[in-house]
Amino acid sequence: QSALTQPASVSGSPGQSITISCTGTSSDVGAYDFVSWYQQYPGKAPKLMIYDVDKRPSGVSSRFSGSKSGNTASLTISGVQAEDEADYHCCSYVGSLIRVFGGGTKLTVL
Amino acid sequence: EVQLVQSGAEVKKPGESLKISCKGSGYSFTSFWIAWVRQMPGKGLEWMGTIYPGDSDTRYSPSFQGQVTISADKSISTAYVQWSSLKASDTAMYYCARRGPDGGNSGYDYWGQGTLVTVSS
Repeated sequence: QSALTQPASVSGSPGQSITISCTGTSSDVGAYDFVSWYQQYPGKAPKLMIYDVDKRPSGVSSRFSGSKSGNTASLTISGVQAEDEADYHCCSYVGSLIRVFGGGTKLTVL
Repeated sequence: EVQLVQSGAEVKKPGESLKISCKGSGYSFTSFWIAWVRQMPGKGLEWMGTIYPGDSDTRYSPSFQGQVTISADKSISTAYVQWSSLKASDTAMYYCARRGPDGGNSGYDYWGQGTLVTVSS
């Protein structure tokens, strides 16, 4: 399985909405509704932000939302804040209990 | 409180063997899949493989099949990943993570703090 494709970096000003894409194939993202997103600060462990494409775990801000269209999943952060500056990683099920991550996207808040 | 506590940082030489651990607590260790994830310096996350401690069913990413061995000892609620012959390219941070319950959250809802493995001559 090849890694999912994410932009290396995205940026936005406080209050703007930003979207991070995660492109796979018809064998992974397009085949299953098991896409998750993780936020990671430098030197810290990842944190689950979205699971099953569009579900938020308890405690995660409603500013974070997920969606999927075809072979591409997306994470949208509405009203981006300085504290959202971090790396974001997508992950998809690919079958046979195996998963694959994307390359990660660095979000910069201007 | 659910916790995954990993073993400490390791410095090894190429060709040496290594086994790092991940101890779960605060939940039924045998009922949740545990995955191992590699993060090389300055890079993204890589899914290595997963184990179900209840019956030791194990799956590997094709990229890691044959390169590492994942195991678990349910009697002490601990999962492991081991290398028989380390390479410099194994230098990375390694995380364990718990997958949410079957039929529920399919994401990795709890993570260990990471174990830094450095392989250098």
